[in-house]
Amino acid sequence: GQQVMQIPQYQHVQEGEDFTTYCNSSTTLSNIQWYKQRPGGHPVFLIQLVKSGEVKKQKRLTFQFGEAKKNSSLHITATQTTDVGTYFCAGPGQSNYQLIWGAGTKLIIKP
Amino acid sequence: EADIYQTPRYLVIGTGKKITLECSQTMGHDKMYWYQQDPGMELHLIHYSYGVNSTEKGDLSSESTVSRIRTEHFPLTLESARPSHTSQYLCASKRESYEQYFGPGTRLTVT
Repeated sequence: GQQVMQIPQYQHVQEGEDFTTYCNSSTTLSNIQWYKQRPGGHPVFLIQLVKSGEVKKQKRLTFQFGEAKKNSSLHITATQTTDVGTYFCAGPGQSNYQLIWGAGTKLIIKP
Repeated sequence: EADIYQTPRYLVIGTGKKITLECSQTMGHDKMYWYQQDPGMELHLIHYSYGVNSTEKGDLSSESTVSRIRTEHFPLTLESARPSHTSQYLCASKRESYEQYFGPGTRLTVT
């Protein structure tokens, strides 16, 4: 069945270092969404990418959608403690009402 | 912030008990979802609904049932709780091709 693979599972960074998470889909996606879940919280929508090769920025966060619309990435520049959490990507399933979720990448700031 | 509510927020019950987790949203969204998630880990879709009187099982049915008698209400029932049901349960809703809005979650512990 359709799968969305997300790597890495964890990333430990020093505060101020950059962070990147990658998503790869087994099928072409019409769009991809990114969510952030703070520790103890619930997923919160960050952004949706729709166009092939699309790049969107939100302050220190840069989101990319691949040319083939099968992969995506989220890059955070100069991480801060407020960035801590798990970042999920998700793409529409066969019904388009469901989302197929990546396993998430946990951003951990080293003490 | 989206208007989607879950009760109770925390629940500790004994094995074999029947429980109902409540979820309500005031946004008039047709699509609603239940996910099971261990803290910070992958989201597993348990049930979803496209609208009133429409319910479907997800990848992880987890011996639970749902009902959708009113647009705003989507309760989840565990007929006989087991320790393996210990987890966080997240309710979400959306309209059409837009993002999912999540409730705060119910943390369930079965002893």
